[in-house]
Amino acid sequence: NAGVTQTPKFRILKIGQSMTLQCTQDMNHNYMYWYRQDPGMGLKLIYYSVGAGITDKGEVPNGYNVSRSTTEDFPLRLELAAPSQTSVYFCASSRGTGVGSNQPQHFGDGTRLSIL
Amino acid sequence: TQLLEQSPQFLSIQEGENLTVYCNSSSVFSSLQWYRQEPGEGPVLLVTVVTGGEVKKLKRLTFQFGDARKDSSLHITAAQPGDTGLYLCAGSNTGNQFYFGTGTSLTVIP
Repeated sequence: NAGVTQTPKFRILKIGQSMTLQCTQDMNHNYMYWYRQDPGMGLKLIYYSVGAGITDKGEVPNGYNVSRSTTEDFPLRLELAAPSQTSVYFCASSRGTGVGSNQPQHFGDGTRLSIL
Repeated sequence: TQLLEQSPQFLSIQEGENLTVYCNSSSVFSSLQWYRQEPGEGPVLLVTVVTGGEVKKLKRLTFQFGDARKDSSLHITAAQPGDTGLYLCAGSNTGNQFYFGTGTSLTVIP
C-alpha cells in the first residue's frame, strides 16, 4: 500500500524561485494537510483541505498556496522562495469524519527543502 | 505561540529504565493524539485519547489524558532501544486542525 506519497524527497532552491511540492494519497481520504517541521518546533499547519475544491489556512500560511482539484492530490506551491521557508514539509491525510475528528493522520515521508 | 508544550525536550536513558513524557496546554482539547517519528520518516500514530481521565495502554506504553483535557502523559516501562525516536503530542479542538507539541527526542542506550 502506497499511502501518502510526497515528491521530491529533497530540493535546493535559490531565493526567489518557485516550486510545487507534490502530495498524493490512495486511501480515498477526504482530509489532507500540509505541515512544516523546524528543529525544536514540532509541526506547524500550513494549509488543510476537507475535500476536493475546499481549502483553508492553518497556522502559518503566508508564502504558500494550495489547491485541491481531486481527492487524491494536494500540491503545495511556493511562489517566491525565501530562506525562512527552509524546512522539512510533511503532507498528511485522514478519513476525517467531521468536526473534532479523532481519525489518525497518515503522513508521507517528507520533503527536505533548502532555500539558499 | 505554542499551544502544546512537551517536556522534557531531550531524554537519554539506559535500556530497562522507565520514563514519562509530558504534554501540557492551557487550552482544552476534544481529543489528543500521540505520534512517534523516526529520522527521515513522517510521524506514525500511537494512540488517540478523547475522554478526560482516560488511560490507554499499548504494550509497555501507557497514555493518560488529564481530567480537564488540557494535558497528557506518556509513560514507557522498561524502555528498549526500539523506543528511540521523536514523540509528538497533537491536540484537536472543535475545528478541523491538530496542533502539535514541540516534541520529545528519546534515546534509549543499549
